[in-house]
Amino acid sequence: GESVGLHLPTLSVQEGDNSIINCAYSNSASDYFIWYKQESGKGPQFIIDIRSNMDKRQGQRVTVLLNKTVKHLSLQIAATQPGDSAVYFCAENIDDYKLSFGAGTTVTVRA
Amino acid sequence: AAGVIQSPRHLIKEKRETATLKCYPIPRHDTVYWYQQGPGQDPQFLISFYEKMQSDKGSIPDRFSAQQFSDYHSELNMSSLELGDSALYFCASSPGGESYEQYFGPGTRLTVT
Repeated sequence: GESVGLHLPTLSVQEGDNSIINCAYSNSASDYFIWYKQESGKGPQFIIDIRSNMDKRQGQRVTVLLNKTVKHLSLQIAATQPGDSAVYFCAENIDDYKLSFGAGTTVTVRA
Repeated sequence: AAGVIQSPRHLIKEKRETATLKCYPIPRHDTVYWYQQGPGQDPQFLISFYEKMQSDKGSIPDRFSAQQFSDYHSELNMSSLELGDSALYFCASSPGGESYEQYFGPGTRLTVT
């Protein structure tokens, strides 16, 4: 995915703390973004999505923020748990529904 | 809830052999996507189908082909396999319409020796 990228390849978080995972995208025409969680050996799991006409969306323990001015997307995980350890990808809809993925951030939760 | 089913989960082939991967989308999902994920890489879009017709094409080699059948399941056919084809192959399905959400299957790990 050349048009979507994450700022940090790894993130280490203390259990119970909040996590923030960042993603920068370059395609200003993208109108839909998704965050996926991928555990080792498994397929990407949908976490939360946001359309370009919104700047914030909340789910269960997760919040996605979209800043179209600077083309930045972030995923906030509240009260991070050991089960949150995984690789997190942001993806954007670039054309006719297909997704372009960023490089991924590996989140490790410390007990 | 029913999820995307992929088979086989693991496949070992030798160079120049062929492989067929199968994907069964979530019921009532009419759109299927195929992605390839190399070790430590992000998923790369290969091809998609909507209502049994190819809807989009990404970085899919000419040695690969795919189709969607009347029951909406899809098959990815890979010929003249190369070592570099070793990867995880994911299928995702979507309900289509105005929904962009894609739900991924567990993947098929293809190893070419």
